Amino acid sequence: NAGVMQNPRHLVRRRGQEARLRCSPMKGHSHVYWYRQLPEEGLKFMVYLQKENIIDESGMPKERFSAEFPKEGPSILRIQQVVRGDSAAYFCASSGGTAGYTFGSGTRLTVV
Amino acid sequence: AQKITQTQPGMFVQEKEAVTLDCTYDTSDQSYGLFWYKQPSSGEMIFLIYQGSYDEQNATEGRYSLNFQKARKSANLVISASQLGDSAMYFCAMIPDTGRRALTFGSGTRLQVQP
Repeated sequence: NAGVMQNPRHLVRRRGQEARLRCSPMKGHSHVYWYRQLPEEGLKFMVYLQKENIIDESGMPKERFSAEFPKEGPSILRIQQVVRGDSAAYFCASSGGTAGYTFGSGTRLTVV
Repeated sequence: AQKITQTQPGMFVQEKEAVTLDCTYDTSDQSYGLFWYKQPSSGEMIFLIYQGSYDEQNATEGRYSLNFQKARKSANLVISASQLGDSAMYFCAMIPDTGRRALTFGSGTRLQVQP
């Protein structure tokens, strides 16, 4: 029973490029959460999605960031025109709606 | 709004000794859950232990126990018989039982276990 799968594990982008981070939730989980971890900090909530719906995006930066969770396929966190300050670890977590999250291994984004 | 405070940026402990990592929280929710996660240098988030706000017994998972004091709004993690592999960052987090159900994390404590 595979856990939450995130890819890529590491991503390097030049300033101004786009970054696409993918997350496949655990089998049977329909709730997906994205978090960002800046160096030496705790994780910060970004967005909560269910299939084809954004439930809460109150933690998302207003510009350049978007997320989707289509009916088929993984959830995608998209960052357009990346800047150095976007360098961070991005974690996805999934749940079945009850207490208990499962985190993926994260994607480390480095903007050069 | 919810807030988690971890006041110990770093802790040292001798191998085989017990250590307590502090966590206090603030919330207006009546029902909530408290988590501890371990993040080793490899970066993944490893779930350690969970405590529900209405659970009367303190949660235990192997060498981990959660010292839950609801009136003081504290949820300290106790690791017994520390091992070298326990060296990592430890994060306390909380989640409301209703609504958005997103985790709010503290800033973490870096634990180093010395031989």
